[in-house]
Amino acid sequence: EVQLLESGGGLVQPGGSLRLSCAASGFTFSAYAMSWVRQAPGKGLEWVSATTDNGDASYYSDSVKGRFTVSRDNSKNILYLQMNSLRAEDTAIFYCARGAYCSSTTCIFDSWGQGTLVTVSA
Amino acid sequence: DIQMTQSPSTLSASVGDRVTITCRASQSISSWLAWYQQKPGKAPKLLIYKASFLESGVPSRFSGSGSGTDFTLTISSLQPEDFATYYCQQYTSHSRTFGQGTKVEIK
Repeated sequence: EVQLLESGGGLVQPGGSLRLSCAASGFTFSAYAMSWVRQAPGKGLEWVSATTDNGDASYYSDSVKGRFTVSRDNSKNILYLQMNSLRAEDTAIFYCARGAYCSSTTCIFDSWGQGTLVTVSA
Repeated sequence: DIQMTQSPSTLSASVGDRVTITCRASQSISSWLAWYQQKPGKAPKLLIYKASFLESGVPSRFSGSGSGTDFTLTISSLQPEDFATYYCQQYTSHSRTFGQGTKVEIK
């Protein structure tokens, strides 16, 4: 069974940093692209970042580019999201998601974690 | 970036109703469209990919159609467990944008 377990969320002040982790199990982690998707309270879904299966390429939404960095450790089956210069508008549940059914450029998400809440507030 | 617009934003329906949700892309995305279902407090669940392909384990009352810029998700006979919010998502560009969501409520 595919399992994705996020951790690392919490309360952080504006301008602060936080690192999220997503521990994967039940599948060959190194064979899949992975993404982070967030959802602000009461709002819709927003794709944040993605990385290829071997981590050699990363992609970001315009809203986080230059502030967030995605990485992965395929030896430990863990996906990371380093978030710097956090803003109030980054407050959201952050989900990690497995990529699947890819087009020539990108993938959708066939498995999701339960999410971790990040709150940016003074 | 490609914009995705869903309609309606909210839909009131009864058990047994046929329900249709529309998603429109700001430019052609061929068939690179997915649909998700999300229930309160839960992660989204993939229903449909490549516009019309049913994800494994998803009931056959769900179906998707369309190509280019206009797409639909249809629930042939609404069941109590189908009351949820539905999102479309394009995946032809790296921005992989979502629609704003359609909440299906009990009438």
